[in-house]
Amino acid sequence: GAVVSQHPSRVICKSGTSVKIECRSLDFQATTMFWYRQFPKQSLMLMATSNEGSKATYEQGVEKDKFLINHASLTLSTLTVTSAHPEDSSFYICSATVSGQAEKLFFGSGTQLSVL
Amino acid sequence: LAKTTQPISMDSYEGQEVNITCSHNNIATNDYITWYQQFPSQGPRFIIQGYKTKVTNEVASLFIPADRKSSTLSLPRVSLSDTAVYYCLVGRIFSGAGSYQLTFGKGTKLSVIP
Repeated sequence: GAVVSQHPSRVICKSGTSVKIECRSLDFQATTMFWYRQFPKQSLMLMATSNEGSKATYEQGVEKDKFLINHASLTLSTLTVTSAHPEDSSFYICSATVSGQAEKLFFGSGTQLSVL
Repeated sequence: LAKTTQPISMDSYEGQEVNITCSHNNIATNDYITWYQQFPSQGPRFIIQGYKTKVTNEVASLFIPADRKSSTLSLPRVSLSDTAVYYCLVGRIFSGAGSYQLTFGKGTKLSVIP
């Protein structure tokens, strides 16, 4: 199956700093990628849809100025959590679809963000 | 987007067959039914997908009745490593008019007991 690589797997940062999370499609081109957030013992919540070469589409309630998404190439999307605060601590997961397998989502391994 | 209802948790002994049923009464004509598995601190993994009747792959079977208002994921002879959360998703990632965003429900936490 398609491989989605996500880095870093874990990051700890001080409040007020910015953190960048990378999501790469290793063996396919991903026109569209999705970013999710998951709190402990809860389900995944879609944050935004990222399309290569265009602005991301954010879900209601997600601050686009706080969660900056860049999808500059067909194999890379980044999520930057700006001025992170403790309430931003969460598990962030990216996913992508593959041309020809449009109804399947392939997920990265996730990034655990802890803001002190 | 079709709302899904699954049992919150299930327990099973090793070697048994496990069936997890998902209700989706307002499924739309073009919606697919997809199941994902998630281990702690990992991203979900695709298990199986179907539209109608029965689908089988190397890890699971998916049973979908004619009215498509429910579906059942069947895991044959589970092992301890099958302990995970299983999500049933109903919908389309992309539609002709744009995109749907698949919504994850609460999932079913399966615990396999030795």
